[in-house]
Amino acid sequence: DAGVIQSPRHEVTEMGQEVTLRCKPISGHDYLFWYRQTMMRGLELLIYFNNNVPIDDSGMPEDRFSAKMPNASFSTLKIQPSEPRDSAVYFCASSWGKTDTQYFGPGTRLTVL
Amino acid sequence: GENVEQHPSTLSVQEGDSAVIKCTYSDSASNYFPWYKQELGKRPQLIIDIRSNVGEKKDQRIAVTLNKTAKHFSLHITETQPEDSAVYFCAASITGGSYIPTFGRGTSLIVHP
Repeated sequence: DAGVIQSPRHEVTEMGQEVTLRCKPISGHDYLFWYRQTMMRGLELLIYFNNNVPIDDSGMPEDRFSAKMPNASFSTLKIQPSEPRDSAVYFCASSWGKTDTQYFGPGTRLTVL
Repeated sequence: GENVEQHPSTLSVQEGDSAVIKCTYSDSASNYFPWYKQELGKRPQLIIDIRSNVGEKKDQRIAVTLNKTAKHFSLHITETQPEDSAVYFCAASITGGSYIPTFGRGTSLIVHP
């Protein structure tokens, strides 16, 4: 397996634009997590899914953020409209069970100008 | 849910010295404690973990100890090398439990040659 795949690896956009981040989890993993990492706040959990169903989205900062998982092999995190304070590295991770080892993707470095 | 505190936030050592990173947790039922290493610009990756049925686990220069009574666990790195420089995250969870692993804020380890 290629591991967790994320795209794009880097995204530079202007304030107000829509941003879509993509993730392909490891095949067979039932849990998918979206994290945001910044120097100020560290690694923050935004939302996680179990069998494609969102379980806890309490970490999503505001309504501008939304996440979907239409099938077991694909998830998106969308920011609309984007703001400079959204600049961060966004990681997707997957695991076999809820409390099992999480395998992280390479991350998407988002810069909002 | 679980609360994990990690100290120190930054640790600077000379090559060859030992480094110790400590984490405390709040839920006495937690029984699985993984440690992740994140090199600069890379993804977090599991380096070692420990379960509550043992007090210590070693893997070459890395060891993790667990004190269930005091509810704390530590990562020990001996004979540090420059390539050990990274951010280290601890986490705690209950195997098969109701909540996902909780991560510490991370420790930035700098090993000076």
